[in-house]
Amino acid sequence: AQSVTQLGSHVSVSEGALVLLRCNYSSSVPPYLFWYVQYPNQGLQLLLKYTSAATLVKGINGFEAEFKKSETSFHLTKPSAHMSDAAEYFCAVSLMNTGFQKLVFGTGTRLLVSP
Amino acid sequence: EAGVAQSPRYKIIEKRQSVAFWCNPISGHATLYWYQQILGQGPKLLIQFQNNGVVDDSQLPKDRFSAERLKGVDSTLKIQPAKLEDSAVYLCASSPKQQDTRKQETQYFGPGTRLLVL
Repeated sequence: AQSVTQLGSHVSVSEGALVLLRCNYSSSVPPYLFWYVQYPNQGLQLLLKYTSAATLVKGINGFEAEFKKSETSFHLTKPSAHMSDAAEYFCAVSLMNTGFQKLVFGTGTRLLVSP
Repeated sequence: EAGVAQSPRYKIIEKRQSVAFWCNPISGHATLYWYQQILGQGPKLLIQFQNNGVVDDSQLPKDRFSAERLKGVDSTLKIQPAKLEDSAVYLCASSPKQQDTRKQETQYFGPGTRLLVL
């Protein structure tokens, strides 16, 4: 079965520091992978998605993620953290069930940004 | 473009009571999803509609949960009777129809309804 694992329920960084949120996937077929962000009391918003077109995917708000098949990873990075990046981040894998997309989410990583 | 609308935003009920949530997806989106997000976990798909037909309800506790999407637009999710473990945020999402597997349509999420069962 396809799944994703997010390492670290909380990640703390200082403003201006590198952000690295980890996601590893398990899939028997080439996966479609997503990163979503959730701000307090809001729904999820798509940051970026991997659909096999390019291994380095650039998203909104300066985030990017690299698909590494050899490591079964899809880690999310941002060169310089901003206070506004504090939120919960979810990695997800898409299951194409009879032609319909079904997302399976990880447990999430809460990013804390200190001044 | 208006986003996905959900109401109410918050609901507190006693166990064994019933509750209903409403979702209005983005105009023109054929696919509608209901997710349950328990505190500290990622969203879990409960049910997925394509227009007014159910595509996937394999994780919907059908003894107490029901959902409908009449006319292929708005949707309601009902819980009857509610249990303590139903306390969660219920998220609605919508997306355009998946035309091509390789394209992977984006799901757009509403703000959610936070349910507390006492």
